[in-house]
Amino acid sequence: ETGVTQTPRHLVMGMTNKKSLKCEQHLGHNAMYWYKQSAKKPLELMFVYSLEERVENNSVPSRFSPECPNSSHLFLHLHTLQPEDSALYLCASSQDAGVYGYTFGSGTRLTVV
Amino acid sequence: AQKVTQAQTEISVVEKEDVTLDCVYETRDTTYYLFWYKQPPSGELVFLIRRNSFDEQNEISGRYSWNFQKSTSSFNFTITASQVVDSAVYFCALSERYGGSQGNLIFGKGTKLSVKP
Repeated sequence: ETGVTQTPRHLVMGMTNKKSLKCEQHLGHNAMYWYKQSAKKPLELMFVYSLEERVENNSVPSRFSPECPNSSHLFLHLHTLQPEDSALYLCASSQDAGVYGYTFGSGTRLTVV
Repeated sequence: AQKVTQAQTEISVVEKEDVTLDCVYETRDTTYYLFWYKQPPSGELVFLIRRNSFDEQNEISGRYSWNFQKSTSSFNFTITASQVVDSAVYFCALSERYGGSQGNLIFGKGTKLSVKP
């Protein structure tokens, strides 16, 4: 496989559930990102991992917990979410601080009920 | 602070019409990068172009062209002879960080383009 792969594509979860989103890149990039895309809102950067270290956390609630076990994999662990967390969650990867752009996955469409 | 403004929320055209998507940016850096991405209904953001702040030459790629003007802080995108497959949300983005360990793309709110047959 090439590019950035996100699973699952769709997820429906209750507010008391625990679930995880997975992102995998086979591009040899050294940085990975989580973005949130809500309806009628700009893309919001959530987390940045560079060389497997978290370098940015944009005031994201603790109910979102990222994990980057190696440079090819990125997870977003979800716990006790709210309905307003329903959104498209996009993963991206880049090389050299993203100056050549990011490669995005297809996203996970999350619905919290 | 950096900012990207895409004033057009939605545009609707008929196939074969030309359409221009506007992008205006704000930055205090002299070195920065501008991007356009396309997001079809499938959700994935597809990279279209990258432009650095020192290269104001306009670019053409098939039916796509980009007009970068530093004097007006604009990086507009034109689709010539639009097709139904061009229907998507288009995002303009700015990256100020160069050579550092963390890249951060700032996105505009996107312009939804609908091309009707």
